[in-house]
Amino acid sequence: KQEVTQIPAALSVPEGENLVLNCSFTDSAIYNLQWFRQDPGKGLTSLLLIQSSQREQTSGRLNASLDKSSGRSTLYIAASQPGDSATYLCAVDRETSGSRLTFGEGTQLTVNP
Amino acid sequence: DTEVTQTPKHLVMGMTNKKSLKCEQHMGHRAMYWYKQKAKKPPELMFVYSYEKLSINESVPSRFSPECPNSSLLNLHLHALQPEDSALYLCASSQPRQAREQFFGPGTRLTVL
Repeated sequence: KQEVTQIPAALSVPEGENLVLNCSFTDSAIYNLQWFRQDPGKGLTSLLLIQSSQREQTSGRLNASLDKSSGRSTLYIAASQPGDSATYLCAVDRETSGSRLTFGEGTQLTVNP
Repeated sequence: DTEVTQTPKHLVMGMTNKKSLKCEQHMGHRAMYWYKQKAKKPPELMFVYSYEKLSINESVPSRFSPECPNSSLLNLHLHALQPEDSALYLCASSQPRQAREQFFGPGTRLTVL
């Protein structure tokens, strides 16, 4: 059974700092890995999707990497801003047909002005 | 357009009521999902529809009844719910093949009295 772990559970940083969120998964037979952002009481916003054959994806100040063989992904946020404060969720999709996401517990990020 | 819409935003119902949640997407996606999310927890998959057919039911109690009338719409019919069913209900959609990136709606906040 796939298990996804995110470290740290919470992170508080001053504005402008670069930061890294970590995600690990136990079964390397994944189809893709998706990073989401969730604001309190809201839905999930897809940030980046990395296919299993890819090593990284970038969007603006965000960069996500994937090391499938070691079961790890990182989300790098450059020059953090107070508007980045949210919960960040990592989810892996299984390799077999039929999408089924397994989520980590999330990292709650606070960026202080 | 990468939007998934959900109605209503909030719903309060008694344990004897019957209500429905609605989800709509116009991205041409042929897979749609219902998730349940409790406070401070990641989303839990409930149902998956692929090409308008139910493909995954995660052993959800029969008081939750999904319906996919067409490729753009997904409903969740609720009957005789319990207070512990109070949660944020999220709908998502994706292509069943290729990238399978999931896009989420804003959710319906359900309170069962």
